[in-house]
Amino acid sequence: DAGITQSPRHKVTETGTPVTLRCHQTENHRYMYWYRQDPGHGLRLIHYSYGVKDTDKGEVSDGYSVSRSKTEDFLLTLESATSSQTSVYFCAISPSGVPTDTQYFGPGTRLTVL
Amino acid sequence: SQQGEEDPQALSIQEGENATMNCSYKTSINNLQWYRQNSGRGLVHLILIRSNEREKHSGRLRVTLDTSKKSSSLLITASRAADTASYFCATVVTQGAQKLVFGQGTRLTINP
Repeated sequence: DAGITQSPRHKVTETGTPVTLRCHQTENHRYMYWYRQDPGHGLRLIHYSYGVKDTDKGEVSDGYSVSRSKTEDFLLTLESATSSQTSVYFCAISPSGVPTDTQYFGPGTRLTVL
Repeated sequence: SQQGEEDPQALSIQEGENATMNCSYKTSINNLQWYRQNSGRGLVHLILIRSNEREKHSGRLRVTLDTSKKSSSLLITASRAADTASYFCATVVTQGAQKLVFGQGTRLTINP
């Protein structure tokens, strides 16, 4: 998994609770991404980061926020989880420094919102 | 609709046969990528083909790109049970910044 870890790997939570997912990389790559994967929708970009404190929105950013205070960590927060946010969340990095080149993915976090 | 769309959505073949998956896209690209995802795992990069390339090989994988038809194909030769996975193409879209956009994937099943 290219030195990318995600935590937790599984989480069950209730509607309305805050949830934070963590992505950690060991190589200090500049670009990091959060995707969600749902049946029928494939992989969709939530937010991405191009450096410490530099982030931008992706295709499905509503209801999510991110933070990157250190190069190695990219956090995804659901301020108030909803059932529509039940999904598998993947973090990715772009080692080449070119955001549209090869990406390497973490193992994923399966989130269930009841 | 998606920038990249794979076809077929599902494919089931016998071990040893060849598997072909296709990807169509809408806008001009500078590269197209193929990824594999085993059940319960993250995506794994297979091949990147640039817009000025027509064909690329990696082991039993062959990728072609036809920019005039805005399409790409992934061929897996002499398939094995371990090739059972979902396969995704990814292309670049420009929405402010350039980003990779993934198709919905082809689910490939290799029957022993």
